[in-house]
Amino acid sequence: DAGVIQSPRHEVTEMGQEVTLRCKPISGHNSLFWYRQTMMRGLELLIYFNNNVPIDDSGMPEDRFSAKMPNASFSTLKIQPSEPRDSAVYFCASSFSRLALHFGNGTRLTVT
Amino acid sequence: AQTVTQSQPEMSVQEAETVTLSCTYDTSESDYYLFWYKQPPSRQMILVIRQEAYKQQNATENRFSVNFQKAAKSFSLKISDSQLGDAAMYFCAYRSGAREDFGNEKLTFGTGTRLTIIP
Repeated sequence: DAGVIQSPRHEVTEMGQEVTLRCKPISGHNSLFWYRQTMMRGLELLIYFNNNVPIDDSGMPEDRFSAKMPNASFSTLKIQPSEPRDSAVYFCASSFSRLALHFGNGTRLTVT
Repeated sequence: AQTVTQSQPEMSVQEAETVTLSCTYDTSESDYYLFWYKQPPSRQMILVIRQEAYKQQNATENRFSVNFQKAAKSFSLKISDSQLGDAAMYFCAYRSGAREDFGNEKLTFGTGTRLTIIP
């Protein structure tokens, strides 16, 4: 099992550009989560899916953020347009039922 | 809404000694899960240990054990025989156990405790 796979590992972009983060959950897991980690706010849940359906997107900061899960093996988090305050580490995690979340290695996003 | 509190921003321990990290939580639910995650400098989030609220027995995983006090809503992590590789941020987390509530599967994290191991 390869675990949760995120890409890219690092992303540096200029303010105003579109950023797309990608995630492949563990096969067989039915829930997928996007978290953001910053020094100031810690780990924040942005959105999560159950069986590919968005369940709670109340943590998505604003309309510039969007997430999709077109199938059970792929999800994207898009920021358009990006701003310097979006700089953070973005984690994708997956789980089966109420078991523990398994995290990917995260994407460190820097917006200049 | 559930909250998780880690009151120790930083802790340090001598190598080979024992250290306890504190965590308290607030919930009105009776069925839930508690977790400790470790985040080393590589930034990977690694599951350390998991506790089901309905189990009275404290979970253990090798050198890691918890002291789960349900009435006090306390969930501390004890690391025995501390090793240099234990240096990391440690996060306590809560997850609802209500199986019919698909709107509450998320993990709520504390703010973390940075553990330093002194050689």
